[in-house]
Amino acid sequence: DQQVKQNSPSLSVQEGRISILNCDYTNSMFDYFLWYKKYPAEGPTFLISISSIKDKNEDGRFTVFLNKSAKHLSLHIVPSQPGDSAVYFCAASPGRGGSQGNLIFGKGTKLSVKP
Amino acid sequence: NAGVMQNPRHLVRRRGQEARLRCSPMKGHSHVYWYRQLPEEGLKFMVYLQKENIIDESGMPKERFSAEFPKEGPSILRIQQVVRGDSAAYFCASSPAGVNTGELFFGEGSRLTVL
Repeated sequence: DQQVKQNSPSLSVQEGRISILNCDYTNSMFDYFLWYKKYPAEGPTFLISISSIKDKNEDGRFTVFLNKSAKHLSLHIVPSQPGDSAVYFCAASPGRGGSQGNLIFGKGTKLSVKP
Repeated sequence: NAGVMQNPRHLVRRRGQEARLRCSPMKGHSHVYWYRQLPEEGLKFMVYLQKENIIDESGMPKERFSAEFPKEGPSILRIQQVVRGDSAAYFCASSPAGVNTGELFFGEGSRLTVL
């Protein structure tokens, strides 16, 4: 049973517009939520994270929103750029319920930003 | 380049052979993690190691898989008697001591193909 779900395998957006990537989770004990970005044939790179005690974290063009009651988080990219085209993975850290570094990943959403 | 180094990048093995994947963490990092990504799937945690210690191996298959992180040298993920289902990308990640936010630094991965 998937604890972290990304229900959209792909998303296509026009350059300059907003990209919104969604993620749902089932375990209310998760401590941190993270977004990783992955280009083909490369490893994932950390993008942004949010603590479970916050509802928003912003870093430049990237903002993550957390809705604990809905067990939902989203990543907003504004404005989207062609270089943002990649697979985006949502991940959750079990915190006290698991060991450090034991992240639970979603299956990813492939974002394509069209020029 | 002081990033996480994995080798080999690509490895082809026949069924029944052994596969050894190596990982050198980022400079200054003492924690190493191994993840596996099957085709069309997210990354799945396998094992978390510190020097000479396995901290969490809850994601490791019970048979044929082992990992070590010796006092000197890289961490090694060993798969004995490989089967076709072991074909996957294996990612190593590292973190400095004391980080529990889930932010990991990943290598570029080792892609294992079992014929």
